[in-house]
Amino acid sequence: EVQLVQSGAEVKKPGESLKISCKGSGYSFTTHWLAWVRQMPGKGLEWMGIIYPGDSDTRYSPSFEGQVTISADKSLTTGYLQWSSLEASDTATYYCAISRIDCSGGTCYPWRPFDVWGQGTMVTVSS
Amino acid sequence: QLVLTQSPSASASLGASVKLTCTLSSGQSSYAIAWHQHQAEKGPRYLMKVNSDGSHIKGDGIPDRFSGSSSGAERYLTISSLQSEDEADYYCQTWATGIQVFGGGTKLTVL
Repeated sequence: EVQLVQSGAEVKKPGESLKISCKGSGYSFTTHWLAWVRQMPGKGLEWMGIIYPGDSDTRYSPSFEGQVTISADKSLTTGYLQWSSLEASDTATYYCAISRIDCSGGTCYPWRPFDVWGQGTMVTVSS
Repeated sequence: QLVLTQSPSASASLGASVKLTCTLSSGQSSYAIAWHQHQAEKGPRYLMKVNSDGSHIKGDGIPDRFSGSSSGAERYLTISSLQSEDEADYYCQTWATGIQVFGGGTKLTVL
């Protein structure tokens, strides 16, 4: 079974750093792009960025470039989303997702729909 | 600019059918989209990819009650024989080189 299992809820203070995780299993972790999506309270889904764990090629949404860092550890089949200095506006639920759609000959692409999602990590930033 | 527009809310009775709409921005009527179901306190669930010709490819285990179609710049998700567990937010998603975009979502209430 293909699964993305995310780390648990976090409560942090403004200015603190944070790294949340997303562990993939049941598929080839290194050949499928892994994305991160934000959902602020009461709002919709926003794409943040995407990484190819095979070589750590990373693309960011312009809205999030410089605000977060996306990374992956192939040996642990785990992707990460991190902040160096949290703000109250980072309060949200964060989802990881992968796309297995239209992969061809072992090659997958970043610009495809996400067909597997993690369960989400709620991050609360409050003084 | 790649934009997806969805009505904020929809409602239908238990056992009835409902058709949700996702509209692509001008000049992008050839784009495919995907539909996702997002139930409260869960991660989103991929339902299907809908192409501009109306063909659709459903995700694993998605019931036959869920179907997709297209007309021009509009992409549709039809849910028949509505069940209480279909009450959720439904998002459409599209993509192009360098970008992934979600619609604002439609909150479906099952009466």
